[in-house]
Amino acid sequence: DAKTTQPNSMESNEEEPVHLPCNHSTISGTDYIHWYRQLPSQGPEYVIHGLTSNVNNRMASLAIAEDRKSSTLILHRATLRDAAVYYCILRDVLRGGADGLTFGKGTHLIIQP
Amino acid sequence: EAGVAQSPRYKIIEKRQSVAFWCNPISGHATLYWYQQILGQGPKLLIQFQNNGVVDDSQLPKDRFSAERLKGVDSTLKIQPAKLEDSAVYLCASSLARVVGTNEKLFFGSGTQLSVL
Repeated sequence: DAKTTQPNSMESNEEEPVHLPCNHSTISGTDYIHWYRQLPSQGPEYVIHGLTSNVNNRMASLAIAEDRKSSTLILHRATLRDAAVYYCILRDVLRGGADGLTFGKGTHLIIQP
Repeated sequence: EAGVAQSPRYKIIEKRQSVAFWCNPISGHATLYWYQQILGQGPKLLIQFQNNGVVDDSQLPKDRFSAERLKGVDSTLKIQPAKLEDSAVYLCASSLARVVGTNEKLFFGSGTQLSVL
């Protein structure tokens, strides 16, 4: 499976935008880019996913580089409740077989009041 | 809508004892996953069910771990006998996917925190 690389931790201030980077230089043409986050003492929760085009939803935006070798999760206005570990995951659903997500260590996002 | 339910929330056992975890997925979700999360690491997939059939159990330590989903709904994960290194959070997740490979998002429960002394 193609791997992703994320910073171990990032810090931001409340009510400011946050840009969380993810590198995936060996991504294949059928890999979807998924983001999940895990709040303290909870299971991971889905944030957003995309294939080639930028995506927006009520939680965040996903900006995908033209060559798809990197992507950025954007939280437009961070709140203290956004403090969590954010996981960038590649998922090749067209390969067939098992499709469970493979998690790395993620980025620990710290929000300062 | 009710989420993925897991019990117990916490469990403390001594090494060599056995333990079982229970998961009730979201109603109508055909696919169910069990993950193990050791402190400081991301979750690791142990087993994936599609209805009551196993799709992937390549990372399940089958000498001590077993899982079943007899009627395609609830699932149990058992460890027998437990080792110190089994101390972790055990997460259950489910998705709508009725066919493997449809890119449905996963919904996770809050997990069971296991401490093996």
